[in-house]
Formats: sequence, structure tokens, C-alpha cells
Amino acid sequence: DTAVSQTPKYLVTQMGNDKSIKCEQNLGHDTMYWYKQDSKKFLKIMFSYNNKELIINETVPNRFSPKSPDKAHLNLHINSLELGDSAVYFCASSPRHGGRGEQYFGPGTRLTVT
Amino acid sequence: AQSVSQHNHHVILSEAASLELGCNYSYGGTVNLFWYVQYPGQHLQLLLKYFSGDPLVKGIKGFEAEFIKSKFSFNLRKPSVQWSDTAEYFCAVAISGTYKYIFGTGTRLKVLA
Repeated sequence: DTAVSQTPKYLVTQMGNDKSIKCEQNLGHDTMYWYKQDSKKFLKIMFSYNNKELIINETVPNRFSPKSPDKAHLNLHINSLELGDSAVYFCASSPRHGGRGEQYFGPGTRLTVT
Repeated sequence: AQSVSQHNHHVILSEAASLELGCNYSYGGTVNLFWYVQYPGQHLQLLLKYFSGDPLVKGIKGFEAEFIKSKFSFNLRKPSVQWSDTAEYFCAVAISGTYKYIFGTGTRLKVLA
């Protein structure tokens, strides 16, 4: 059983398009995250949700909009894609909020913007 | 601003050599500390974590880490590495009482058979 799943695994698209990445966790966790990993492997938190409520919104362009329809899902929608958005996007969930829990990561979505 | 530093960006070792990867953070308050590993083509997995108690924590696959509060450090060690330990290693700090996780820039370890 996959604990944290993401779709699609690969996404190639052109500049200006709008795309979505979906994330689902079957661990029963309340807290979910989106991370961006750039070409140098630097991993940076983008958003954090706890029980469907947005908790953290780091300095991310408002072209990025997370949506949490329920506790098990946290989707990421990106409008007007730019070249600099090319990266691997990881979804993660955590059993405890407040920094007390380890993170369970999804397999990542490699986004390439041409 | 809070930050996490991993000073070794690339490490190359022969099998059976000992490993120590450095991790330092800048934050004066209470933190929870983690090491994650990312094998080639795979997602990040937890190696070990420290919340409180014994500052020497043991993780999976023979890894351990020591929290030295006075040095703001949480270095990862393994007495004898294997070829299968080839991976990217990330130190992470969670600011206690917040949802904020900060990852280090990672250390790429290559173990030669």
C-alpha cells in the first residue's frame, strides 16, 4: 500500500499553461505539506495544511494555489507556468503538527516547463 | 532567520569506511531534529529523529546521530558504510510549536564498492 501518493509522476508542459498535481495520503494524518526541490536538490517548504486549514504559506507566488478537499488530499494548482517552476514537487504528511512529527514523503512529481 | 547548514556537499567513501555528516542549525529555541535519506530516483525517507531525552539517537540501517545543544549540531554517523548507502542525505529542523520545517541543502554520498 502506498502511504503518500502523487499524480502525475512526470509533467511536461509549456509556459503559460495551468496544471495541477494531486496528492493523497492513507495514513490518517492531519497535517500535509508541499515542498519544491530544485535542480540543486534544495528542498523548500511551500505550504502546510492542518486538518484542511492552511497553516503555512511561504513566499510562494500566488500562481500556486493549494487546495485540500479533505484531510487525506492536498492538491497543488499552478497557473501561468514559468520556466523557473521546473522542479520536483514533493507532497508529505505528518502524524503530528507543531513540528513534533516526522514527515512521510510522496514519490515526487517532476515538472518540466518548456 | 532560521537556517540549517550541511557543510559537506559531496562525500566519497570506500566501503567499510566510517561516515560522519555535519549538520548545524541556527535557532535558539526548542527544535526537533531529523535526518532523511533520498536514494537515487526515490522519495525521502526518515533515517532517525530526535525530540528529547538521550542526545544519541539510533536510526535504521545502522545510522546514528548525536545532538549537541551547545554546538547547535546534529551530526549523522555510521561506523561502516556500504555501497547501498549511496544517496542524498538531508538534515531537517522543525521549530517546536510551529509547522515550520527547514531542510539543509543535502549531502551527496557516494560509496565505492
